[in-house]
Amino acid sequence: EAGVAQSPRYKIIEKRQSVAFWCNPISGHATLYWYQQILGQGPKLLIQFQNNGVVDDSQLPKDRFSAERLKGVDSTLKIQPAKLEDSAVYLCASSLESGGPSDFGPGTRLTVT
Amino acid sequence: AQSVSQHNHHVILSEAASLELGCNYSYGGTVNLFWYVQYPGQHLQLLLKYFSGDPLVKGIKGFEAEFIKSKFSFNLRKPSVQWSDTAEYFCAVTSTGTGRRALTFGSGTRLQVQP
Repeated sequence: EAGVAQSPRYKIIEKRQSVAFWCNPISGHATLYWYQQILGQGPKLLIQFQNNGVVDDSQLPKDRFSAERLKGVDSTLKIQPAKLEDSAVYLCASSLESGGPSDFGPGTRLTVT
Repeated sequence: AQSVSQHNHHVILSEAASLELGCNYSYGGTVNLFWYVQYPGQHLQLLLKYFSGDPLVKGIKGFEAEFIKSKFSFNLRKPSVQWSDTAEYFCAVTSTGTGRRALTFGSGTRLQVQP
């Protein structure tokens, strides 16, 4: 069974630039999560989708972050414009139900200079 | 606000030693509890989870955790660790029912097992 796929794996951008991350969850998983993990901390939920609807985006900085899951399968997370403090690993995860992620992707390590 | 505390940031054990990693949470309602593990260079993986029922939960690779509601704790245990258990371990909690909140992770405990 293929796992959660993410791309790119690494990205370096300058502050005020834009960046987008892509995630393809495990086939059949209705719930998709985006997490931000800053070095030395646990992951923090940015947004949770159930199929193509948003369940929780209370911790998403909506002035600069956006995410979509238009067809209820893969998803993109965008940052525009990026700030230095956005440097982190962005994790995508999925699960069959909404009780918590069961499978994580490898993450995208973002460095903002 | 909901929070999760992992008391030990770095634990060093010898092989065959017993392991107990502490996890306490602050939310007073009904909760779902999780332990995740991240081996060096690998993805986060779900070790075990508690939703309801028997408070002693068994997970993969010989790990177990006990939910003690009165202590707001969900400690992870393994009777005898192996070198391959070297990893970072994260406790996480989410509330259920009305006022449901996002899964909150602790800051992690780095376990180093020496051969």
